[in-house]
Amino acid sequence: DAGVIQSPRHEVTEMGQEVTLRCKPISGHNSLFWYRQTMMRGLELLIYFNNNVPIDDSGMPEDRFSAKMPNASFSTLKIQPSEPRDSAVYFCASSLDRSGQPFFGQGTRLTVV
Amino acid sequence: KNEVEQSPQNLTAQEGEFITINCSYSVGISALHWLQQHPGGGIVSLFMLSSGKKKHGRLIATINIQEKHSSLHITASHPRDSAVYICAVGSARQLTFGSGTQLTVLP
Repeated sequence: DAGVIQSPRHEVTEMGQEVTLRCKPISGHNSLFWYRQTMMRGLELLIYFNNNVPIDDSGMPEDRFSAKMPNASFSTLKIQPSEPRDSAVYFCASSLDRSGQPFFGQGTRLTVV
Repeated sequence: KNEVEQSPQNLTAQEGEFITINCSYSVGISALHWLQQHPGGGIVSLFMLSSGKKKHGRLIATINIQEKHSSLHITASHPRDSAVYICAVGSARQLTFGSGTQLTVLP
């Protein structure tokens, strides 16, 4: 298996633009997580899905952030409109179940200018 | 007080040295995770453990549930081991992360 695949690896966008980050979890994993990593706050869980259903989105910073998982092999994290403070590395991870060992993607480094 | 404390924050070692990174936590946990992050790179999940010890290659992770303490050991360290090592506790849906230990192994 290729592991968790994220795209793009790097994204630079202007403030106010819409940004969409993509994630393909490991086949057979039924839990998917979106994390954000910043220097100030470290790693934070934004949202997680179990069997394609959002279970806990309490970590989503505000309404500008939304996440979807239309099927078991694909998820998106969207920021609209983006702001400079959204600049961070966004990681997607998947696990066999919500208690399992998480496997992380390579991350998307987002820079909002 | 952070729920997960790692020490040291920074560690520099010579190639071949035995390395220990410590993690203490203050909450009850279902599991403890050790993660590795290389500069500019992704995060690799090294271990998930809830008791005893696990070994993978030159890496060994131990946990003492009573003392709420875990250690990550690297034997015969190599420059390619240079990375940030992160301790996290809980299940994947509710991980509390330590601030990480920056390890640099010099040739």
